[in-house]
Amino acid sequence: AQSVAQPEDQVNVAEGNPLTVKCTYSVSGNPYLFWYVQYPNRGLQFLLKYITGDNLVKGSYGFEAEFNKSQTSFHLKKPSALVSDSALYFCAVRDYSGGYQKVTFGTGTKLQVIP
Amino acid sequence: DAGVIQSPRHEVTEMGQEVTLRCKPISGHNSLFWYRQTMMRGLELLIYFNNNVPIDDSGMPEDRFSAKMPNASFSTLKIQPSEPRDSAVYFCASTPSRVAAYNEQFFGPGTRLTVL
Repeated sequence: AQSVAQPEDQVNVAEGNPLTVKCTYSVSGNPYLFWYVQYPNRGLQFLLKYITGDNLVKGSYGFEAEFNKSQTSFHLKKPSALVSDSALYFCAVRDYSGGYQKVTFGTGTKLQVIP
Repeated sequence: DAGVIQSPRHEVTEMGQEVTLRCKPISGHNSLFWYRQTMMRGLELLIYFNNNVPIDDSGMPEDRFSAKMPNASFSTLKIQPSEPRDSAVYFCASTPSRVAAYNEQFFGPGTRLTVL
């Protein structure tokens, strides 16, 4: 089965500083990778995806992610964090388990931006 | 567009009772998913439908859970009988892609279920 790992349960960053939320993947074949964000008491919202093409993917709210094939990573980044970025972030990967294509989500990383 | 609509937003019930969660996907979307989110197990895919047909229900925890999609604009997730360990937030999501893994999923606001 394809999978993603988010090694950090929580990331703290000061407002205005750059932020990185880490994700590594394990897939056979070409990876399709996604990032979603979940604000408190809300459903997940799509941020960005990598299917093919440029390794640097730009998404919503100023976020971007860098696909690194050699390190099997897809880290989420933002140059300058806002307090409003505080939320739960999920990495996800296309999964072929059971012969069906679906998306498998990581365990999530809580981002806390400190004023 | 109103987005994915789920009802109820909150449900509190007693062990042994039947619970029905409802979802209206975004109009025109081909695929619909039911997820369960808990602190212990994170976000789990329970079942997904494509063109109203269940494609993969391997995530449904046991026979107490059932899901239906009688038409393109409505789906239900039923738990009968409910147990305290079913307490979780249940999300419905939809996507316009026939191949569910290619496109972003649009999530509803969730139903917070508490089974006493």
